[in-house]
This record gives sequence, C-alpha cells and structure tokens, in this order.
Amino acid sequence: DAKTTQPNSMESNEEEPVHLPCNHSTISGTDYIHWYRQLPSQGPEYVIHGLTSNVNNRMASLAIAEDRKSSTLILHRATLRDAAVYYCILNSGGSNYKLTFGKGTLLTVNP
Amino acid sequence: GAVVSQHPSRVICKSGTSVKIECRSLDFQATTMFWYRQFPKKSLMLMATSNEGSKATYEQGVEKDKFLINHASLTLSTLTVTSAHPEDSSFYICSASPGDGYTFGSGTRLTVV
Repeated sequence: DAKTTQPNSMESNEEEPVHLPCNHSTISGTDYIHWYRQLPSQGPEYVIHGLTSNVNNRMASLAIAEDRKSSTLILHRATLRDAAVYYCILNSGGSNYKLTFGKGTLLTVNP
Repeated sequence: GAVVSQHPSRVICKSGTSVKIECRSLDFQATTMFWYRQFPKKSLMLMATSNEGSKATYEQGVEKDKFLINHASLTLSTLTVTSAHPEDSSFYICSASPGDGYTFGSGTRLTVV
C-alpha cells in the first residue's frame, strides 16, 4: 500500500477553519484518498474520500493537489466535537479491500 | 446511514478463558468484514479479513488459532479470543463497507485479568 505522511498533531481554535495536510507522493492512479477520524474510545468515523476532484460534504471538504501527491482535509468551522485523530488513507482495492491506518494527526480544538 | 453494530462494548474476563465479540452490519450485507486491534495511544492494526462462507485471511504475525474468526452470514462476523491472557487486553474494532467508504463498529474494550 502506498504510504501517507501526516503531522503528528495540530491545534486549532473553535469556529476557525482547520486545514489538515496529507502527503502521498507514491500514490498510484487507482488510489482513492480516504479520510477517517477517531474520537477517544470510539471506532473510526468516515469523513470524506475522493480520487481526483475536490469533494465537499456536510462534514468537510477535501482538496486534492493536481498531481495528487498531496491532499488537504478542510474543516470549515472547527468545533470542540471535531477534536479527534484524523487518518488519511489510500485505498485502491474497492470495498472488499483492507484499509491500512497510519499514525494520523491528533487535532486539538481550543475553546 | 450504514451502521455496524459491535457487541459487547466492554468485557472483562479471567486469564485462560475465551471471549466472543460480535460484529453485525445492520442495514447492509457484507461479504467482507475487517477486524482491527488498537493499543492505547496507537493506531489501528489490521488483524484479519473476514470472508463470508470461507476462511478468514490473517495478517502476518496474528495467530489464527488464538483469534478465531467466523463469518457465517452476510451480516455477522465474530471474533473469539481463545485462552485470553493479559497481553490480549486491547480495543478491538470491526469494519465493513456498504459500498462507498467504510463503516466501523464502536469497538470492544477487552480487559483480561
């Protein structure tokens, strides 16, 4: 599986936008970029995923670089409930293919 | 949205006993489910891929005789930790895909005393 690199931690203030970066320089043409987050003592939660174009949903936006070697998860207005570990994962195998988790980014949101 | 239900959420067992964890897809069918374990302040580590009607595929280093996986129906996979020891204490999480993205169970906190 192609590897992703994320900062270990980031900090944000409540109601401000948050940009979480992810580098994936060895991404292949069939790799989708997935983002999940995990709150303490819970299972991960799907956030968003995309292939080439930027994606938006009710939770976040995903900005994908033109060369696809990096992407950014954007939380438009951080809330205290967004404090979690965010994982950027590449997946090319479809729904029956395993996800491999890296260390993720621990996001702290200050009130 | 698609829901994966995991039970129990928390279990304490004595060393040497076995514990079964259930993972159900509530509103979709899953021919494949995934089992992870997570130690404190660490990332999720895939243990095995559970395949409906066939044997599970275990990741390297995971003992298949210790972590028994059964996927007898399209909505249920079970993980049995056999002869549990304190080092098996961990957070176990299952996952399945409804077709777009993956849905995870809420996890099972296993403590072996």
